[in-house]
Amino acid sequence: DTAVSQTPKYLVTQMGNDKSIKCEQNLGHDTMYWYKQDSKKFLKIMFSYNNKELIINETVPNRFSPKSPDKAHLNLHINSLELGDSAVYFCASSLETGFFSEQYFGPGTRLTVT
Amino acid sequence: AQSVTQPDIHITVSEGASLELRCNYSYGATPYLFWYVQSPGQGLQLLLKYFSGDTLVQGIKGFEAEFKRSQSSFNLRKPSVHWSDAAEYFCAVGLYNNNDMRFGAGTRLTVKP
Repeated sequence: DTAVSQTPKYLVTQMGNDKSIKCEQNLGHDTMYWYKQDSKKFLKIMFSYNNKELIINETVPNRFSPKSPDKAHLNLHINSLELGDSAVYFCASSLETGFFSEQYFGPGTRLTVT
Repeated sequence: AQSVTQPDIHITVSEGASLELRCNYSYGATPYLFWYVQSPGQGLQLLLKYFSGDTLVQGIKGFEAEFKRSQSSFNLRKPSVHWSDAAEYFCAVGLYNNNDMRFGAGTRLTVKP
């Protein structure tokens, strides 16, 4: 019954590896997001995506790429992981794009790069 | 530049006491303001939001917030805190020009028995 789910919950990996985080929502929403929460708890949007448009935060390195096999899923792929990628990553979804539409967050994935 | 400031990193209150969490924003246009709560190990949940109209906004779980344009503030309040309110609280502003949201650094609330 979880509205927005993410796997895995914890991910520990070494520098240079490629990893993916999966996100699924069962709310029937059209838009999904990825956020990064750093060690100081700052939460920054990385991507928003619906079936028409991918909006990328310009500060996100191109090593990060979202992939959406269908409307209910938005996975995050990260290539050549770096120490600075260590953070908690949150997936979210909303009925429509933009902050006017309430966002529902997943529980987060804590990524540790060693 | 647009920003959201939560001056208090950590606040401790006794159960049953009143609570006020501070939030200040810096944004040139009409702000769209939010408060989210993050319980340990959980994602963020929307408590309340302000877009326009009455400056005192009621939210879930007995929370309310008041928008004060003159002070650029949107402080969150609760008259009587419960132990289950212990969590991290985030203030956020919606950026109308690019439909984005910007979050504050959060305030961690500890509730003493």
